[in-house]
Amino acid sequence: GEDVEQSLFLSVREGDSSVINCTYTDSSSTYLYWYKQEPGAGLQLLTYIFSNMDMKQDQRLTVLLNKKDKHLSLRIADTQTGDSAIYFCAEKPNAGNNRKLIWGLGTSLAVNP
Amino acid sequence: SAVISQKPSRDICQRGTSLTIQCQVDSQVTMMFWYRQQPGQSLTLIATANQGSEATYESGFVIDKFPISRPNLTFSTLTVSNMSPEDSSIYLCSVMTGTEAFFGQGTRLTVV
Repeated sequence: GEDVEQSLFLSVREGDSSVINCTYTDSSSTYLYWYKQEPGAGLQLLTYIFSNMDMKQDQRLTVLLNKKDKHLSLRIADTQTGDSAIYFCAEKPNAGNNRKLIWGLGTSLAVNP
Repeated sequence: SAVISQKPSRDICQRGTSLTIQCQVDSQVTMMFWYRQQPGQSLTLIATANQGSEATYESGFVIDKFPISRPNLTFSTLTVSNMSPEDSSIYLCSVMTGTEAFFGQGTRLTVV
């Protein structure tokens, strides 16, 4: 079946790096995503990685994909208080023309001054 | 990219009544997705709205409770019918363009 798992909470100090982890079960997934949801707001796409890539870097964000272990991580360098939010991992299964995403439960990141 | 305008942004409704949520997209899209996000939870897909055909509902969701309209390629509505306090949630519409999913700002519904 299709399943995405994340740890629910992460607390870091301002200036430290944050690493949010995600595991998924569908080996046919084509794309894997990280979305950010700030309190009272909608979801914002942070970054995504194609399944044939191992790493993607975008400013303070680094995504690592271990396809063998079906493990995805998001590293936020120099974490700021504005990074406090819920981070959702999602996968896009390669199942015909089905475009729905499979979502994790979200990791709530708290950044302490 | 896609910009989605969703309304209302929030509402407080009496139990037993119905609320219709609207989503307008700034481009034509084949599929629109309706999600529910209960407090402290992840997104649960309610249904996929296709233009010109009936919506496809996920397990646990039925058309009588969540009727959906999709009159054209830029617009969709979701109705939450005969509401109870358990329907209190955030409802989000979403589209996928290429590889990215875009979301409306959500409708925060409280049923009293």
